[in-house]
Amino acid sequence: GAGVSQSPRYKVAKRGQDVALRCDPISGHVSLFWYQQALGQGPEFLTYFQNEAQLDKSGLPSDRFFAERPEGSVSTLKIQRTQQEDSAVYLCASSPHRGLTGELFFGEGSRLTVL
Amino acid sequence: SQQGEEDPQALSIQEGENATMNCSYKTSINNLQWYRQNSGRGLVHLILIRSNEREKHSGRLRVTLDTSKKSSSLLITASRAADTASYFCATENSGGSNYKLTFGKGTLLTVNP
Repeated sequence: GAGVSQSPRYKVAKRGQDVALRCDPISGHVSLFWYQQALGQGPEFLTYFQNEAQLDKSGLPSDRFFAERPEGSVSTLKIQRTQQEDSAVYLCASSPHRGLTGELFFGEGSRLTVL
Repeated sequence: SQQGEEDPQALSIQEGENATMNCSYKTSINNLQWYRQNSGRGLVHLILIRSNEREKHSGRLRVTLDTSKKSSSLLITASRAADTASYFCATENSGGSNYKLTFGKGTLLTVNP
């Protein structure tokens, strides 16, 4: 595709529900990143994939958060038993380079509201 | 945790004026990037400056980096209403994770027509 695509754009969940957020990176991009952006804040790193390998998950806030990229393209961020503090915009970014060489291409984000 | 701190938090100017935003950070870096975010949208990369560079230009953008002061500035010249957005600095820290950009809280720029 032309850019990074994320779905759904908006998700409302009741506390305790599980949610799954999808990211379609730019075709051929090796690197894929997930970030969490709370209202009025800058993005905070969650996890990094190089192809299908999850090389860094140090930013995942708890074991309720899980990410995968099984075939090295599409990625899913899953949040189990959602809590109100999980409310945020979840941003996906991709890059044709390994690691942090160069710019990241961001999607428009998935806005999660937990009631 | 967020490393970069942008200053000011909000800036309001008239079209045609220049806008300067500053970013300070705490640890040694490999490079520093600036991103722009329109309300409700994703981030768009503006410019990257490496730790061994002091100044870089791209169109109406000028970025400086002072590693001794751990600070960077972004200058937008001849601003336009379409420049209204939030601007974030992001650092790739040396010695830490090779995969993590650390963002500041951003400067909200409003350019009035």
